Amino acid sequence: QVQLMQSGAEVKKPGSSVRVSCQASAGTFNSYTISWVRQAPGQGLEWMGRIIPVIDVANYPQKFQGRITITADKSTTTAYMDLSGLRSDDTAIYYCAREPIGPYGVTALFDYWGQGTLVTVSS
Amino acid sequence: DIQMTQSPPSLSASVGDRVTITCQASQDINKNLNWYQQKPGKAPELLIYDASNLEKGVPSRFSGSGSGTDFTLTISSLQPEDVGTYHCQQSDKSPYTFGQGTKVEIK
Repeated sequence: QVQLMQSGAEVKKPGSSVRVSCQASAGTFNSYTISWVRQAPGQGLEWMGRIIPVIDVANYPQKFQGRITITADKSTTTAYMDLSGLRSDDTAIYYCAREPIGPYGVTALFDYWGQGTLVTVSS
Repeated sequence: DIQMTQSPPSLSASVGDRVTITCQASQDINKNLNWYQQKPGKAPELLIYDASNLEKGVPSRFSGSGSGTDFTLTISSLQPEDVGTYHCQQSDKSPYTFGQGTKVEIK
């Protein structure tokens, strides 16, 4: 059974950093990437980037470059998302999601999601 | 970035009704369009990928169509368990963008 288990809720001060973890079931890292998607209160979903664990490469959209780092520990099948320079508009639920790697590469569809981690940024 | 526009933002329909949600991309994305269902307080779940392919385990009352810039998600006979928010997402070009969601309620 596919599982993506995320770490617990966080409360952070503006300007600080947060790390959210996502432990995947065994075998996930061989054929899938892990993406991070966030959802601010009452808002839509926003893709923040991915890690391709089998080649240890991360991709980030321009909006988050310089503020986000996504890594993966293959020994524990755990992915991490570090976000720095937190602002109040970073308050959101952060999801990790599994993305299949197809015959032509990444597919950018998310077939399993973690339960979500609420990050609250407040002074 | 590719903008995804969903309509309507919300709808209320009776059990058994046919429900249609549309999603428009700001540029041609071929068939690289996915739909997700998000039940209240839960993570999204994949319903349809590549515009019209039903994910395993998804009831056949859900269907998707379209290509290019215009896409549709149809629920042929709305059921109480279909309450939630539906999101479209383009998988054509990074950054992969989502629509703002359509909230579906039972009348």
